[in-house]
Amino acid sequence: EIVMTQSPATLSVSPGERATLSCRASQSISSNLAWYQQKPGQPPRLLIYRASIRATGVPARFSGSGSGTEFTLTISSLESEDFAVYYCQQYKNWPPPFGQGTKVEIK
Amino acid sequence: QVQLVQSGAEVKKPGSSVKVSCKASGGTFSTYAIAWVRQAPGQGLEWMGGIIPLFTTTKYAQKFQGRVTITADESTSTAYMELNSLRSEDTAVYYCARGETGYCSGGSCFSDVFDYWGQGTLVTVSS
Repeated sequence: EIVMTQSPATLSVSPGERATLSCRASQSISSNLAWYQQKPGQPPRLLIYRASIRATGVPARFSGSGSGTEFTLTISSLESEDFAVYYCQQYKNWPPPFGQGTKVEIK
Repeated sequence: QVQLVQSGAEVKKPGSSVKVSCKASGGTFSTYAIAWVRQAPGQGLEWMGGIIPLFTTTKYAQKFQGRVTITADESTSTAYMELNSLRSEDTAVYYCARGETGYCSGGSCFSDVFDYWGQGTLVTVSS
């Protein structure tokens, strides 16, 4: 089974700064990679699918890149509402595993 | 507008079972892939299993094999997740999520990304 590994576990960033989150798959998953944002008490929200396509309504400051086994989520200029936990997921082939999450916190 | 509405919070005794429902509105339920994902307190997301009604196929994570049953009622556009032999470690929020399409071939299943999620159902297991 595919294992997804995210780094770092926690990222401390100041508002207005850039955040870069990484996700690695244990084997090639082509571009079948999604990023979700989760805030306390809420379900995950889809941000990015097919590694780089923003979901409807997602601000342009969020961008995704990568293919194969290495993926990146970049938040170009952090706003207060972006402080949350972010999960990557290989979604196409079942079982679709999640990474363990990266918490983006205020520095 | 797609919506997934889950049943309410449950409190269960160890050793008992819980059945959580997920009613979909909007779209074509039979073509969906419905996944169940749980999140223990302070922990990450864990895929438990899923169902693709069009293919009458379910898949389960190995960890839950034999203890979880996922079903779907196309007449009411509702999916269900039943977890048996509950223990305290099963205390979690349980989410359903949908992939717009899914299919199975050669024993494997595939789906679109999970773009809509239910609001979550808290299941508390306590004596």
